Amino acid sequence: EVQLVESGGGLVKPGGSLRLSCAASGFTFSSYSMNWVRQAPGKGLEWVSSISSSSSYIYYADSVKGRFTISRDNAKNSLYLQMNSLRAEDTAVYYCARVARATSYFDYWGQGTLVTVSS
Amino acid sequence: EIVMTQSPATLSVSPGERATLSCRASQSVSSNLAWYQQKPGQAPRLLIYGASTRATGIPARFSGSGSGTEFTLTISSLQSEDFAVYYCQQYNNWPPTWTFGQGTKVEIK
Repeated sequence: EVQLVESGGGLVKPGGSLRLSCAASGFTFSSYSMNWVRQAPGKGLEWVSSISSSSSYIYYADSVKGRFTISRDNAKNSLYLQMNSLRAEDTAVYYCARVARATSYFDYWGQGTLVTVSS
Repeated sequence: EIVMTQSPATLSVSPGERATLSCRASQSVSSNLAWYQQKPGQAPRLLIYGASTRATGIPARFSGSGSGTEFTLTISSLQSEDFAVYYCQQYNNWPPTWTFGQGTKVEIK
């Protein structure tokens, strides 16, 4: 069974940093591209960042470019999101999502971790 | 950036009735369109990909259609567990930037 479990969320002050993790199991993690998607309270879904299976290709939404860094450790079956210079508008539930093979829709999602940026 | 627009924002439907949700892309996305269902407090779940292919385990009452810029998700006979928010997503452009519609909430009439 495919499982994605996010962790690392919490309360952080504006300008602060946080590192999110996503632990994957039930599939060959190193064969799949992965993404982070966020959802502000009461709002819709916003794609944040993507990383290919071997980390060769990395993409960011304009809203986080230069502040967030996506990475992965295939030996540990883990995905990460380093978030720096956090702003109030980064407050959201952050989901990790697997990209389906040979295409690019998201076939499995984790349950999410809440990041709150507030003084 | 490709903008996805969903309508209506809210759809009130009685159980057993048909629901039709629309999604429009600001430019052609071919058939690179997915639909997701999200219930309160839960992660999104993939329903449809390739505009019309049901994901594994998705009941046949869910169907998708369309290509290019106009897409439709139809729920043929609403069950109690289908009341949720539905999002469309395009995955067509290069370099990849995935965009979602703003969602349609299907509520009990």
